[in-house]
Amino acid sequence: AQTVTQSQPEMSVQEAETVTLSCTYDTSENNYYLFWYKQPPSRQMILVIRQEAYKQQNATENRFSVNFQKAAKSFSLKISDSQLGDTAMYFCAFMKQGANSKLTFGKGITLSVRP
Amino acid sequence: EAGVTQSPTHLIKTRGQQATLRCSPISGHTSVYWYQQALGLGLQFLLWYDEGEERNRGNFPPRFSGRQFPNYSSELNVNALELEDSALYLCASSTDRNYGYTFGSGTRLTVV
Repeated sequence: AQTVTQSQPEMSVQEAETVTLSCTYDTSENNYYLFWYKQPPSRQMILVIRQEAYKQQNATENRFSVNFQKAAKSFSLKISDSQLGDTAMYFCAFMKQGANSKLTFGKGITLSVRP
Repeated sequence: EAGVTQSPTHLIKTRGQQATLRCSPISGHTSVYWYQQALGLGLQFLLWYDEGEERNRGNFPPRFSGRQFPNYSSELNVNALELEDSALYLCASSTDRNYGYTFGSGTRLTVV
């Protein structure tokens, strides 16, 4: 079974600065997908970024980028130029390739952006 | 395009009662997923329906059940409610799950 670990329960960052959220996972699979989701106080989970394990290039979406280290099974999220609207819970998620696969989530991290 | 919609937004039930939660996926999405988000536990997978069939089930007791209708909307039923069932229940849908799921805003179930 796959597990996703987010060891930092909370983080805080000053507006306009950069913050990195950590995530590690455990799997014996070679082909899989990794995701970061954001859950603001409105409760709706929003997909932030997605990474395909067979791609070595790190995914980037505007201010959000990942550091994907396949051998280390690490998938961290970097948020540049933090904004107040980035305040939310962030969840790392894993899904192996293939039929009957589903998203497995970490416990999440609460990020607070200070003005 | 309407997103994933869930109803009701909040639900308060007494221990031992039954709860029914509803979810309408994005138009064209045939898969519906249910997750339980209890405080401090992250998202725990409950059920996955696709084309009207149950495809996968998480490690929850049988009193958690559901179904998917021909229009791909879905119901989650929780029987014999326990206090520990108090949580946010999230529904998601997808057409190609390798690109992730689209989530609704959830139903907050409180069991008293």
